[in-house]
Amino acid sequence: GENVEQHPSTLSVQEGDSAVIKCTYSDSASNYFPWYKQELGKRPQLIIDIRSNVGEKKDQRIAVTLNKTAKHFSLHITETQPEDSAVYFCAASDGTGTASKLTFGTGTRLQVTL
Amino acid sequence: NAGVMQNPRHLVRRRGQEARLRCSPMKGHSHVYWYRQLPEEGLKFMVYLQKENIIDESGMPKERFSAEFPKEGPSILRIQQVVRGDSAAYFCASSPSKGYTFGSGTRLTVV
Repeated sequence: GENVEQHPSTLSVQEGDSAVIKCTYSDSASNYFPWYKQELGKRPQLIIDIRSNVGEKKDQRIAVTLNKTAKHFSLHITETQPEDSAVYFCAASDGTGTASKLTFGTGTRLQVTL
Repeated sequence: NAGVMQNPRHLVRRRGQEARLRCSPMKGHSHVYWYRQLPEEGLKFMVYLQKENIIDESGMPKERFSAEFPKEGPSILRIQQVVRGDSAAYFCASSPSKGYTFGSGTRLTVV
């Protein structure tokens, strides 16, 4: 089955700096890669996703890149703000059909300091 | 659209009791997924259901856990004879395709 590894487990940046979180996956058949943000005690919320037919996607201060050959994808947050502080999870879909389970990384706790 | 509704939000059970967690998917969504999140850990897939069918239960423990999604009504995750290790947040997600929307979760505490 799919295995997703995520690094780093914790990340502290100063407000205004950039943050990068990296994930690798094992199943070459995976073709959908979402990123979720989870604040303390709340539900995971989808912030951006990418499909395997594109290499990069951007939404305001958030971007995701995908390298299918190397089987890794990354989340980039620019101009970080205190409200970006949360736990971020990457995930990969096993690619079977239009709806399928996600395998999640272990999460990155991002702390944005003033 | 009320989103994915889970209840109860918090559930306390004594060891040996049964826990029943409910999930109503978003209107129009026919796929329901259950995930478990242990404290300070990521989400682990448990089961994927469509109406009246279990599609993938590869993440479900072999004993004490069961799930259903009947033709009418919410999806139910049932844990029999709960143990302390079952204490976790259980999230339900629904999807018409690959983009998930999670519910607010049920936080189960076994005492």
